[in-house]
Amino acid sequence: DVKVTQSSRYLVKRTGEKVFLECVQDMDHENMFWYRQDPGLGLRLIYFSYDVKMKEKGDIPEGYSVSREKKERFSLILESASTNQTSMYLCASRRDRGPRETQYFGPGTRLLVL
Amino acid sequence: KQEVTQIPAALSVPEGENLVLNCSFTDSAIYNLQWFRQDPGKGLTSLLLIQSSQREQTSGRLNASLDKSSGRSTLYIAASQPGDSATYLCAVWDTGRRALTFGSGTRLQVQP
Repeated sequence: DVKVTQSSRYLVKRTGEKVFLECVQDMDHENMFWYRQDPGLGLRLIYFSYDVKMKEKGDIPEGYSVSREKKERFSLILESASTNQTSMYLCASRRDRGPRETQYFGPGTRLLVL
Repeated sequence: KQEVTQIPAALSVPEGENLVLNCSFTDSAIYNLQWFRQDPGKGLTSLLLIQSSQREQTSGRLNASLDKSSGRSTLYIAASQPGDSATYLCAVWDTGRRALTFGSGTRLQVQP
């Protein structure tokens, strides 16, 4: 079974702090994704990566950056956390872009910025 | 830009009922469509994936159909159970970009 793990289930940070959210997958998937999920807005794509050291902006990249130094690990960075970044953050991975491929999700990190 | 809409936003049914969840998308140039389940406070679990060349997929009591030309998919749940209570999301992988676009989900409550 594919396993996608996220470093924290719950996180509380202060405004202005630098925040790191870590995601690890164990199935050698090329593609990894970060989403945030907010009530009434659904899942919105922040960034994704289709290879090591490669990244592409999603729909809402402002205020975020990412790092993918190793294939299995994809990090989301909030350079200076703000209260409007309080949200549920979901990481996902997928083997490739083929039509048969399923996307697998981690359990999520609920971030509260005070 | 692809947009995915799910109707209804919430649904409450008594146990044993058959029910249909709807999903529509604006751009029919898709590779596939996936239905996910999300329990409160948890991540997403994939239920069914329909490739663009397929019309439907079945898994147990779940059946998902796809009409690509009209931009619609339905998820049919037979003989619903309280354990089916969750939020159901549909998402499309379109040819224009390398990521899924999600609907905002249908929150289902099955009353015992």
